[in-house]
Amino acid sequence: EAGVAQSPRYKIIEKRQSVAFWCNPISGHATLYWYQQILGQGPKLLIQFQNNGVVDDSQLPKDRFSAERLKGVDSTLKIQPAKLEDSAVYLCASSPWGRTDTQYFGPGTRLTVL
Amino acid sequence: AQSVAQPEDQVNVAEGNPLTVKCTYSVSGNPYLFWYVQYPNRGLQFLLKYITGDNLVKGSYGFEAEFNKSQTSFHLKKPSALVSDSALYFCAVRALSGNTGKLIFGQGTTLQVKP
Repeated sequence: EAGVAQSPRYKIIEKRQSVAFWCNPISGHATLYWYQQILGQGPKLLIQFQNNGVVDDSQLPKDRFSAERLKGVDSTLKIQPAKLEDSAVYLCASSPWGRTDTQYFGPGTRLTVL
Repeated sequence: AQSVAQPEDQVNVAEGNPLTVKCTYSVSGNPYLFWYVQYPNRGLQFLLKYITGDNLVKGSYGFEAEFNKSQTSFHLKKPSALVSDSALYFCAVRALSGNTGKLIFGQGTTLQVKP
C-alpha cells in the first residue's frame, strides 16, 4: 500500500512570495489533515478535511493560508504572501473513514522563507 | 483546554539500558493517547496508542507505554535501547470535540542512544 505522498520535499522562497504544497493521501482515506511543524515544536493542525468538506480550520491563518480538496482526494495548501515565521515543515496525514485515531503521515515539505 | 507536556528536551541512554520518555497530559474526559517517532527528514511514524483497556500498551519496535490515570501520565518505555532508536519522539492526545480528529502534540523529546 502506497503511503501519503507530498511534494515538493523542500522549498525556499523570499518573504511576500506565494507557495503551494501538494498532498496525495492513501487511497480510499476519507480524512486528510495538514499540520505545521515549526522547528523545536510539535506539529499543529492547520486544517482537517472529511472528503471535500472542512471539519476544522480553527488554527489556519486565513488571511494568508488557504487549502482545498476539491474532489475529495488530493489536496493543496497555499500560502500567500509568505512571512518569515511560516518557515516550518508542513505535514500531510490521512486516515480511513471513522478512524481518526489512526493517522498516517507523509514525509513533509520543508519550507524556508528568507 | 487539552494539552500535552514532555518535560525533557533530550534523553540520553546507553545501548542495552532501559529507556523512559516522559509524557503528561491534561484532558477533560477519557483520553486517547499516542506516541509517534520522527527520524531526520522523515514524517511521523505511529508507535502505539491507548484508547481503553489494559494500562500497559505494546507497540512497534519493542516499545511500550503505561497509562496512569491518577498521575495523568503516558510514559514511553523500552527494556533495552538500541542505537537505531535515536530519534525525536512525540506524545499526543486526540481532541474530543465533534468530528475532529485533531492530534495535540507535545514539543518532542530527542532520544540519544550511545553505543
